[in-house]
Amino acid sequence: DAGVIQSPRHEVTEMGQEVTLRCKPISGHNSLFWYRQTMMRGLELLIYFNNNVPIDDSGMPEDRFSAKMPNASFSTLKIQPSEPRDSAVYFCASRPSDSLNTEAFFGQGTRLTVV
Amino acid sequence: AQSVSQHNHHVILSEAASLELGCNYSYGGTVNLFWYVQYPGQHLQLLLKYFSGDPLVKGIKGFEAEFIKSKFSFNLRKPSVQWSDTAEYFCALNQGGKLIFGQGTELSVKP
Repeated sequence: DAGVIQSPRHEVTEMGQEVTLRCKPISGHNSLFWYRQTMMRGLELLIYFNNNVPIDDSGMPEDRFSAKMPNASFSTLKIQPSEPRDSAVYFCASRPSDSLNTEAFFGQGTRLTVV
Repeated sequence: AQSVSQHNHHVILSEAASLELGCNYSYGGTVNLFWYVQYPGQHLQLLLKYFSGDPLVKGIKGFEAEFIKSKFSFNLRKPSVQWSDTAEYFCALNQGGKLIFGQGTELSVKP
């Protein structure tokens, strides 16, 4: 298996533009997570899906952020409009099930820079 | 309140020194704990995990961690570090299905 695949790996955009980050989880995994990593805040959980349904989005910073999972093999994280403070590395992770007895597998991340 | 706390933000050691990174958690439910490692410029990888049973857990690359319920701790240890262990280490807790991470500890190993 190729693991969790994220695209793009790097994104540079101007303030005010829309940004869409993409994630393909490991086949057969039912849970998917989006995280944001910054020096100041560390690794923050933004949203968590189980069986394509958003279970907890309490970590989504504000209405400019939205996430979707239209099917089991694809998820997007959208920022509109983007701001410089959104600059961070965004990680997607997937897990085989909602069971507590499994670990999450991470993608390589998308490094977002908003100028 | 922070569910997972890592008190050491940056640790600097010489090769062959022993390592212990602290992790404390606050959660009243079933405890499942993890340590992940992030090498420079890379994604997070699992080092070890605790679900139940023996509180002393062995992981990859010579790492181990001990779950001490009375202290709400899950400290990571390695008897002798190598330069290649330079990385950031994250403790994580499975909190009702959500995977919550601590702030991370950056480990620098001097050759």
